[in-house]
Amino acid sequence: NAGVTQTPKFQVLKTGQSMTLQCAQDMNHEYMSWYRQDPGMGLRLIHYSVGAGITDQGEVPNGYNVSRSTTEDFPLRLLSAAPSQTSVYFCASSKGTVYNEQFFGPGTRLTVL
Amino acid sequence: GENVEQHPSTLSVQEGDSAVIKCTYSDSASNYFPWYKQELGKRPQLIIDIRSNVGEKKDQRIAVTLNKTAKHFSLHITETQPEDSAVYFCAASATMFSGGYNKLIFGAGTRLAVHP
Repeated sequence: NAGVTQTPKFQVLKTGQSMTLQCAQDMNHEYMSWYRQDPGMGLRLIHYSVGAGITDQGEVPNGYNVSRSTTEDFPLRLLSAAPSQTSVYFCASSKGTVYNEQFFGPGTRLTVL
Repeated sequence: GENVEQHPSTLSVQEGDSAVIKCTYSDSASNYFPWYKQELGKRPQLIIDIRSNVGEKKDQRIAVTLNKTAKHFSLHITETQPEDSAVYFCAASATMFSGGYNKLIFGAGTRLAVHP
């Protein structure tokens, strides 16, 4: 099993550009989520999904969109990148619900100029 | 909204000493409290978790205690070793008023340095 994979590993954008961060898991996990990690602020939840077709907002959803058309994939879209979105983004998945171990991807380091 | 506060933000100990990290949460409905360890440049990984029907849980040198009345929980690491050096995150389950789905809220993290 590859576990949770994320692409790209690094990305540099200009203000106003859009892009999609990819996340995939091959463990048939129902629950998937996106976090951003900023120095001194821990892991903040952006969006999450409890299954295909079901998504909900987390703590910091503004400027991001998600969809979940399959169990395996949970892409995160930046609509119009801003310097405040410079961060490390982690995707995570777990079997069933949040009450099980969250398996994190390797992360994507995004810089917005 | 739901909030998890974590203290201290940095912790420096000598090898062999104990380390304690404390977290408080705001959602009285929270019932699941995991701890994650993130080594430098790596992804977070679960090290221990506790559910609200248990007051304490141990796994070798690490233990977690939970006080639901006071809404705080703590991570205890005994006989620390240099390989324990990492950032530790606590988290608490929380519910969304809108959709009723449970999610995890993380604390800001504690950077633990264990000096030989």
